[in-house]
Amino acid sequence: DAKTTQPPSMDCAEGRAANLPCNHSTISGNEYVYWYRQIHSQGPQYIIHGLKNNETNEMASLIITEDRKSSTLILPHATLRDTAVYYCIVRVRDNNNDMRFGAGTRLTVKP
Amino acid sequence: DSGVTQTPKHLITATGQRVTLRCSPRSGDLSVYWYQQSLDQGLQFLIQYYNGEERAKGNILERFSAQQFPDLHSELNLSSLELGDSALYFCASSVGRADNSPLHFGNGTRLTVT
Repeated sequence: DAKTTQPPSMDCAEGRAANLPCNHSTISGNEYVYWYRQIHSQGPQYIIHGLKNNETNEMASLIITEDRKSSTLILPHATLRDTAVYYCIVRVRDNNNDMRFGAGTRLTVKP
Repeated sequence: DSGVTQTPKHLITATGQRVTLRCSPRSGDLSVYWYQQSLDQGLQFLIQYYNGEERAKGNILERFSAQQFPDLHSELNLSSLELGDSALYFCASSVGRADNSPLHFGNGTRLTVT
């Protein structure tokens, strides 16, 4: 599976959009990009995933660059409850489904 | 609520002992995964089962074993426990084995070995 690079930490003001970047320059054509978050010591929470098109759901938007070497998770109106560690993962569809987590980005939403 | 249920929530035991952690997947999910999260290691994938069969192995120690039963619930057995086994253990489930379905995680079992 392709490796990902994320900044270790970011801050965001409450009510503003949080834009979390992820670099996956070695991604191959059949690898999906997934985003999860972990709030305190709770179980990781699935947010969104995509292959090459931008995706949006009730939680967030995922923007994948045309060359697929990087992506951005957008939380449109961050709240204090969005403070968490966010993980970007790439996974080969044809492989088993297990996710390999890196260190992620610790997002702190400030009032 | 992810729909994945893990029991117990907390477990305290002594070194050398054996414990069993239990996981009930979301309704309709056939795959179950186990992860370990300790302070210095992050989230580590241990093992995956699909419809009762082992599918993938990660960093699982020989002292640890798992199985998935016909009703699809899974158990993770940890034996000869050491202080370093103290961690959060998460179970996750997904619909398929090798598709693009996301994993959904339970809230974990916190194991403390004293």
